[in-house]
Amino acid sequence: EADIYQTPRYLVIGTGKKITLECSQTMGHDKMYWYQQDPGMELHLIHYSYGVNSTEKGDLSSESTVSRIRTEHFPLTLESARPSHTSQYLCASSDVSSPDFFGPGTRLTVL
Amino acid sequence: GQNIDQPTEMTATEGAIVQINCTYQTSGFNGLFWYQQHAGEAPTFLSYNVLDGLEEKGRFSSFLSRSKGYSYLLLKELQMKDSASYLCAVRDWAGTASKLTFGTGTRLQVTL
Repeated sequence: EADIYQTPRYLVIGTGKKITLECSQTMGHDKMYWYQQDPGMELHLIHYSYGVNSTEKGDLSSESTVSRIRTEHFPLTLESARPSHTSQYLCASSDVSSPDFFGPGTRLTVL
Repeated sequence: GQNIDQPTEMTATEGAIVQINCTYQTSGFNGLFWYQQHAGEAPTFLSYNVLDGLEEKGRFSSFLSRSKGYSYLLLKELQMKDSASYLCAVRDWAGTASKLTFGTGTRLQVTL
């Protein structure tokens, strides 16, 4: 079944650790996105990609980085996590004619 | 970029009809989307308008007027499970790229 997956769903980690949030989709979409959302607040686009080897920064500045080596995979990395990075991270994908479909999200807590 | 405005909160009674409005300003309009988001969960797609008019999908309908920069989401026969945030999002073109910008969302509370 075509879907979009994120792991881990929940992550609690100490300050200074390097983390990678995984996102994969089996819908064959070219476009993929990372959004950040604090509880009760709006979604902010932090990274997007229109295809393999294409990545762009979004509207909200983020210390995270992304890569797109394979069409179906769009991981997000934080080299040194800080408490200010505590948030929900949502991955999405789309193609030209479709809406953005969201993964279940990763809720990150940095202590 | 876009400015997207929607009410912050609304309350309605179970079984009633509610209309959530959204106004936007954009330079390269390429579609308006409505999403539902329950607390702590990811947004789920509800409807999409790219041409003027009404799109109906079961209990949910969405309307678009491009000339007025206006859309609404209509929810009929409200159920308690419809209590959620409803996000209006606009896709626009920037060169050869397109991406969504989301409004702040309207938190709908359905009461008995």
